[in-house]
Amino acid sequence: NAGVTQTPKFQVLKTGQSMTLQCAQDMNHNSMYWYRQDPGMGLRLIYYSASEGTTDKGEVPNGYNVSRLNKREFSLRLESAAPSQTSVYFCANRVGNEQFFGPGTRLTVL
Amino acid sequence: AQSVTQPDIHITVSEGASLELRCNYSYGATPYLFWYVQSPGQGLQLLLKYFSGDTLVQGIKGFEAEFKRSQSSFNLRKPSVHWSDAAEYFCAVGAANFGNEKLTFGTGTRLTIIP
Repeated sequence: NAGVTQTPKFQVLKTGQSMTLQCAQDMNHNSMYWYRQDPGMGLRLIYYSASEGTTDKGEVPNGYNVSRLNKREFSLRLESAAPSQTSVYFCANRVGNEQFFGPGTRLTVL
Repeated sequence: AQSVTQPDIHITVSEGASLELRCNYSYGATPYLFWYVQSPGQGLQLLLKYFSGDTLVQGIKGFEAEFKRSQSSFNLRKPSVHWSDAAEYFCAVGAANFGNEKLTFGTGTRLTIIP
């Protein structure tokens, strides 16, 4: 997985609560991504970061914010969680023309 | 905008039988194409990729895929499946131009293997 780690592995939130999903890479690659995976919908890009300090919206950015303060870490924040954000979240980095994925965070919003 | 269609939501194959998973893409320029596999509760693992050159590409675990530009397809094949191949398979397309780094994924095909 090209050294992509995610924390936590599981999380249960109540509607309206906030939380930050953490992603880190142990390699010095520029590009990092956040996806969500929902049954029957494949993976959809939430945000990506082409380099430290830059971020761009993907296909489904509403309700999320991201932060890329350094090259190693790319965090995803839910300011006010909603049941529609129940999903599995994957972080990825880019090595050449390939993307490598972390193990995922399973989030349930009640 | 690029898109990927995986027309088969679920496929069941007998162990030892051959397998073909379909993938059709839409993209206006030369695409980069990928197949990923996801075992239950796991992340995604890259099976194989096509960037250019030989249209038949070999991947890990005995999988291969053929790029057919005329049909906008990139179907995944395996001559003889094993029970451990049971998983979900995702096709993805990316732009082969510098600076566009986003991948678009299909909705996936779940593969069940029966004895």
